[in-house]
Parts: sequence; structure tokens; C-alpha cells
Amino acid sequence: DAGVIQSPRHEVTEMGQEVTLRCKPISGHDYLFWYRQTMMRGLELLIYFNNNVPIDDSGMPEDRFSAKMPNASFSTLKIQPSEPRDSAVYFCASSLWLYTEAFFGQGTRLTVV
Amino acid sequence: TQLLEQSPQFLSIQEGENLTVYCNSSSVFSSLQWYRQEPGEGPVLLVTVVTGGEVKKLKRLTFQFGDARKDSSLHITAAQPGDTGLYLCAGGSRYSGGGADGLTFGKGTHLIIQP
Repeated sequence: DAGVIQSPRHEVTEMGQEVTLRCKPISGHDYLFWYRQTMMRGLELLIYFNNNVPIDDSGMPEDRFSAKMPNASFSTLKIQPSEPRDSAVYFCASSLWLYTEAFFGQGTRLTVV
Repeated sequence: TQLLEQSPQFLSIQEGENLTVYCNSSSVFSSLQWYRQEPGEGPVLLVTVVTGGEVKKLKRLTFQFGDARKDSSLHITAAQPGDTGLYLCAGGSRYSGGGADGLTFGKGTHLIIQP
């Protein structure tokens, strides 16, 4: 398996624009997580899915953030409208069970100017 | 408030030295994982500890889970430049009523091993 695949690797956008981050989890993994990483706050869990169903979105900072998982092999994280404080590295991870090894993608570095 | 406190936040030492980094919490965890993250990459699992008092060794790395399952340490013997990276601890389910909220990560220890 190729591992967790995220796209794009880098995204630079202007404030107010819509940003969509994409993730393909490892086949067979029932859990998918979206994390955000900054120097100040570390790695924060935004939302996670079990069998394509959102289970806990309490980490989503605002209504500007939304995530979907239309099928077992694809998920998106959307920010609309984007703001400079959203600049961070966004990681997608998948795992077999909730607390077993999480396999991370390479991340998307988002810069909002 | 961070559930998992990692210390030190930054550590820079010379090649060949030994070091210990810590992961502490007031919560009891069912398990604890250690990850290493290199620049431009996602974290990669090093080890999982599940039993209070458990000690696991991975070559020059020794991991220990506290007896009360609230803390853990990572000791590196004879550090090498290849050990450079961000070391993250992550806790499994919490027994203090945390709910099914997924892995809880500490902020990590940034480790630099100078040649």
C-alpha cells in the first residue's frame, strides 16, 4: 500500500478564498483523522470518521471548517472563507482502530496571505 | 490546558551523549504511543506501551510507561545525528471520562543531535 496520500503538499491562497484539502486513507482502515499542526498549539485533532461517518468534530475551530468522507477511500477538509490564522500544516491519518497506530500522510502546508 | 505535557520542549546535544525526554499527564491512559516526526513528513510510530511499568527497547531507544499509566519517558543512548526530529507522545483512551476522542498528542520535544 502507498500509505496515506494527501494533496496538495503546499497551498498558498489569499484570505477569503476557499481551500480544499484531500486525503486518501490506507485501504481497510476504518478510522480517518484530520489534524492541524502549529508551533504554538502542536498537533490538534480536528475531526475523525469511523466507517465514513463523522464521530467527533469538537476540534473543528469554526463553522468555516467542514469535512466530508463520501466513501472509504476519500475525504476532504474545506475551509471557507480562509483566514491568515488558518495557516498551518494539516495532516490526515488513518488507523484500523481508534487507538491503534495512526498512519499519517505527508501533510498539506497551508499558507493564507 | 494540554493533557499531555512533554519536556523539554527543545533539546540540543552532541553526538554520543545520552538523553531522556518526558511525557506527563494527570490523566490515566489505556496506552501510550511515541512517534517521531522529521521535517516535511508526518509522524511515524516508534512504539506503543500498554502496561503500567512496561519497558520497551528499540535499539538505542528505551521507552518506559509509568506504573500509574499517567506518564512515560524516552531515553536515547549514544545519540546520533539521525535521531534528530520531533518526538511526540500520544495517549489512548482516558479513564477519567474523556470519551471516544481519539489519540491525544503532546506538543513534542524538538531534538537536535549535533555531529
